[in-house]
Amino acid sequence: DAGVIQSPRHEVTEMGQEVTLRCKPISGHDYLFWYRQTMMRGLELLIYFNNNVPIDDSGMPEDRFSAKMPNASFSTLKIQPSEPRDSAVYFCASSLTLRDSPLHFGNGTRLTVT
Amino acid sequence: AQTVTQSQPEMSVQEAETVTLSCTYDTSESDYYLFWYKQPPSRQMILVIRQEAYKQQNATENRFSVNFQKAAKSFSLKISDSQLGDAAMYFCAYSLPNFGNEKLTFGTGTRLTIIP
Repeated sequence: DAGVIQSPRHEVTEMGQEVTLRCKPISGHDYLFWYRQTMMRGLELLIYFNNNVPIDDSGMPEDRFSAKMPNASFSTLKIQPSEPRDSAVYFCASSLTLRDSPLHFGNGTRLTVT
Repeated sequence: AQTVTQSQPEMSVQEAETVTLSCTYDTSESDYYLFWYKQPPSRQMILVIRQEAYKQQNATENRFSVNFQKAAKSFSLKISDSQLGDAAMYFCAYSLPNFGNEKLTFGTGTRLTIIP
């Protein structure tokens, strides 16, 4: 399996622009997670899905952030409008189950908002 | 709330030597899981090793082993015969068994440098 695939690897955008990050989980994994990693706050869970349904989005920082999972093989994280403080590395991860199976992470998207 | 503390922001070790990375955690629970994740320059987080708190035996995975001291709430990672490919950020993490992956708490990480 190719693992969790994220795109783009790097994204540079100007403040106010819309940003869309993409993720393809490992086939057969029922759970998908979006994380944000910054120096100040470390790794934070933003939202997770089970069978394409959002279960807990309490980590989403603001209404400017939204995530969707239209099917089992694709998810997006959208920021609209983007702000400089959104600059971070965003990770997507998937797992077969919530318990007793490890998280498999993608390579992340480094977002820079100028 | 559970917290995970990694007190060593950076560590270095000579190639082929052994290094130990420290992790302490704070919890009032008796059953939980502990993990070590590796993040190499490629950025991908990779699970290195996992320990279940109810198991007294320390987990091992090839050159990686842990020293789990439940009473002291300590969970250190030992890397034996260090290799250049071990250079990475290492994150300690904790979760409750009733929750799993959706409640992982990560430490702030330790950057490990391997000296050739």
